[in-house]
Amino acid sequence: AQSVTQLGSHVSVSEGALVLLRCNYSSSVPPYLFWYVQYPNQGLQLLLKYTTGATLVKGINGFEAEFKKSETSFHLTKPSAHMSDAAEYFCAVSGGTSYGKLTFGQGTILTVHP
Amino acid sequence: DTGVSQDPRHKITKRGQNVTFRCDPISEHNRLYWYRQTLGQGPEFLTYFQNEAQLEKSRLLSDRFSAERPKGSFSTLEIQRTEQGDSAMYLCASSLVATDTDTQYFGPGTRLTVL
Repeated sequence: AQSVTQLGSHVSVSEGALVLLRCNYSSSVPPYLFWYVQYPNQGLQLLLKYTTGATLVKGINGFEAEFKKSETSFHLTKPSAHMSDAAEYFCAVSGGTSYGKLTFGQGTILTVHP
Repeated sequence: DTGVSQDPRHKITKRGQNVTFRCDPISEHNRLYWYRQTLGQGPEFLTYFQNEAQLEKSRLLSDRFSAERPKGSFSTLEIQRTEQGDSAMYLCASSLVATDTDTQYFGPGTRLTVL
């Protein structure tokens, strides 16, 4: 079975500050890892994904994430927060016999203060 | 390409009634997924189709739930004899199975409220 733990259900930063959202996963097979963003009353939008190859992946809106196998982590970062980044962020994993089916973390709500 | 669409966006029903939701995937996407998301939680997998075949169902999908994808295009999710615990956002996603990751693209969701 696969699982995802997102550390911190709420993260608050000032505009222009570094954004760091933490994600740890558990998987018995090489994982595929994803970050999605959800704005209120909307569906999920893909930010970025890791499959194989380069462990630092870049996504939309200036976000990036680094796959660290030894730490079973896939933390999401952005150097400078913008007010429009305020949303809920979900980390997800798939792979192996669960190929395709996504297992999500519980989400992290990001608040950006002016 | 207009993305994944879902209808209706909101549904309010009384306990015991049946409801049906529709999902139209991105054209030519051969996989279609249903997830359920309750307040403060991440989405949970319900079921998925490859073309018209339903390949996997979660234990979350009780006998009151049924999903179809009759022609391998749109899909419907029906809930019979709704209960208050069925209140949630129902999300649909589609993907094109190829050599990479089966990346899923989500629709806006249908929010169900059972009174």
